[in-house]
Amino acid sequence: GAVVSQHPSWVICKSGTSVKIECRSLDFQATTMFWYRQFPKQSLMLMATSNEGSKATYEQGVEKDKFLINHASLTLSTLTVTSAHPEDSSFYICSARREFGTSGGDSYNEQFFGPGTRLTVL
Amino acid sequence: QKEVEQDPGPLSVPEGAIVSLNCTYSNSAFQYFMWYRQYSRKGPELLMYTYSSGNKEDGRFTAQVDKSSKYISLFIRDSQPSDSATYLCAMSGNTDKLIFGTGTRLQVFP
Repeated sequence: GAVVSQHPSWVICKSGTSVKIECRSLDFQATTMFWYRQFPKQSLMLMATSNEGSKATYEQGVEKDKFLINHASLTLSTLTVTSAHPEDSSFYICSARREFGTSGGDSYNEQFFGPGTRLTVL
Repeated sequence: QKEVEQDPGPLSVPEGAIVSLNCTYSNSAFQYFMWYRQYSRKGPELLMYTYSSGNKEDGRFTAQVDKSSKYISLFIRDSQPSDSATYLCAMSGNTDKLIFGTGTRLQVFP
């Protein structure tokens, strides 16, 4: 269980176009999903937290008008890169949070990651 | 100073060796500690999940957390070529936000 899918797995687009990436939790409901960006040989950097039915929370330095996030249902979040430019080329990874219950008196959760989407902007 | 420090490697070991991977951190509010494995051009896969201090074992993998030293480790016994990947530590406090290390690239040669 706890499978997260992403579509597409890779995409090449022209500069100035918009690209939509889908993230789906296949066998559990996720009220919270996360979008990360990873450059070659670097770690994952959180871009935004996506909450079902409300606006996404963006990390400092991430342009919300450029990276549009929609969490339309408990199993689907989308990231749209608007007016993409070559510097937006990167590996975009989503994760979905699944609650596990409690441990030591506190609720805790686990994030399951999608396989990633490689975006290349020409 | 980064919140989470991890040696990027690469770390190259022979098959069968015991591998030790480590991360240090500065934020004493971190309570949840995770190790992920990431193969090239793939998403991270959760290996181990630990709450607070202590040890946790799962097959060939052992995770240790020492909150007093702000130091976490992942040990891999009897390493296999299929273990060759990048290993990322991640941690969080009471929020959902995960802070990742830069990842250590491991190469296990036959």
